[in-house]
Amino acid sequence: DAKTTQPNSMESNEEEPVHLPCNHSTISGTDYIHWYRQLPSQGPEYVIHGLTSNVNNRMASLAIAEDRKSSTLILHRATLRDAAVYYCILRDVGNGGSQGNLIFGKGTKLSVKP
Amino acid sequence: KAGVTQTPRYLIKTRGQQVTLSCSPISGHRSVSWYQQTPGQGLQFLFEYFSETQRNKGNFPGRFSGRQFSNSRSEMNVSTLELGDSALYLCASSSPLTDITDTQYFGPGTRLTVL
Repeated sequence: DAKTTQPNSMESNEEEPVHLPCNHSTISGTDYIHWYRQLPSQGPEYVIHGLTSNVNNRMASLAIAEDRKSSTLILHRATLRDAAVYYCILRDVGNGGSQGNLIFGKGTKLSVKP
Repeated sequence: KAGVTQTPRYLIKTRGQQVTLSCSPISGHRSVSWYQQTPGQGLQFLFEYFSETQRNKGNFPGRFSGRQFSNSRSEMNVSTLELGDSALYLCASSSPLTDITDTQYFGPGTRLTVL
């Protein structure tokens, strides 16, 4: 799977939007962009994924650049519960489907101030 | 659906002992993966099982082993424990046959401390 680059840390105020960036300049045509997050003392949690179009779900939105070399996870109103490490991961679905392990980088540690 | 469950949640062992950790995947999921998380190395992949067969393996010594049962439940075993094996061990399940991107659903982990 191709590599991603994320800032080490970000800060946000409660109830404000948060934009978490991810660069993946070597992304291939069959790479899906996945986001996971890990709250303190918990296992990672799936957040959202996308291929080319922007995606929304109850947790967040994913904005994907037109050239797919970068993406942004958007939390529309940060809460204290959103304080976590956010991981951007590429999953190759070539050859009929994604296989193999998730490759976690260091992710972005998001702090939310009340 | 119930989530991924892992037992025990906490474990304390001494060097040289062995340990077995258990993981019950989400109902219907046939793939189970194991990860080790330490402050220094972050999250690292151990191995993946699908339909009772090991499909992928990470770069860990042979002291780390696993297996999967016909009901998809999985166990991992670490023999001859070392201090450096102290970590959070995470299990994740997925359904690659129905989800092309193989989204992983993680359990809460087992915190292993080796003294």
